[in-house]
Amino acid sequence: DVKVTQSSRYLVKRTGEKVFLECVQDMDHENMFWYRQDPGLGLRLIYFSYDVKMKEKGDIPEGYSVSREKKERFSLILESASTNQTSMYLCASSSPGLPSNTGELFFGEGSRLTVL
Amino acid sequence: RKEVEQDPGPFNVPEGATVAFNCTYSNSASQSFFWYRQDCRKEPKLLMSVYSSGNEDGRFTAQLNRASQYISLLIRDSKLSDSATYLCVVNTWGYQKVTFGTGTKLQVIP
Repeated sequence: DVKVTQSSRYLVKRTGEKVFLECVQDMDHENMFWYRQDPGLGLRLIYFSYDVKMKEKGDIPEGYSVSREKKERFSLILESASTNQTSMYLCASSSPGLPSNTGELFFGEGSRLTVL
Repeated sequence: RKEVEQDPGPFNVPEGATVAFNCTYSNSASQSFFWYRQDCRKEPKLLMSVYSSGNEDGRFTAQLNRASQYISLLIRDSKLSDSATYLCVVNTWGYQKVTFGTGTKLQVIP
């Protein structure tokens, strides 16, 4: 069965802390994505990656960085967390090639981050 | 203007009713279109793709109107289990990313 696993379901951090959100997929997908979801704003793309060590900025990359050292793992890093980064973070992966080839993004269960 | 726009709802409909959602997109170069379903506090999951000729999957029918730049989702004979948020998703060639609408909330009531 297809599986995208996010390391933490709930995190509480303080302003200025460094935060790591880990995502692992077991489907040998080349494409991986990080979104954040906020009420009224929907899902917004932060970063995506189409290959190991490759990354592309999404719509809202400011304040975030990513790492893709292995095909199955895509990490989101908040170098210095701020209260406006309190959100639900969703990792997703998709089949090789463009998402439009298959349409299906497989999501993890999400990580709800609260920054105090 | 948002790239993908949906009426947030909520749409409150009785069991057995037919309900339709629309979604408009701004980029005429958009190539691929999808509907995802998201249950409360859960991750989104693909419901169906939307093809130019329209497509049907059981009680669900999806349509694409390229001229007017909108897609639609029709749900017939609504069930309580259809209660969820329905996300419109658009992919635009060359940008290599998918854009989600903010979702339309459906509540089917007994």
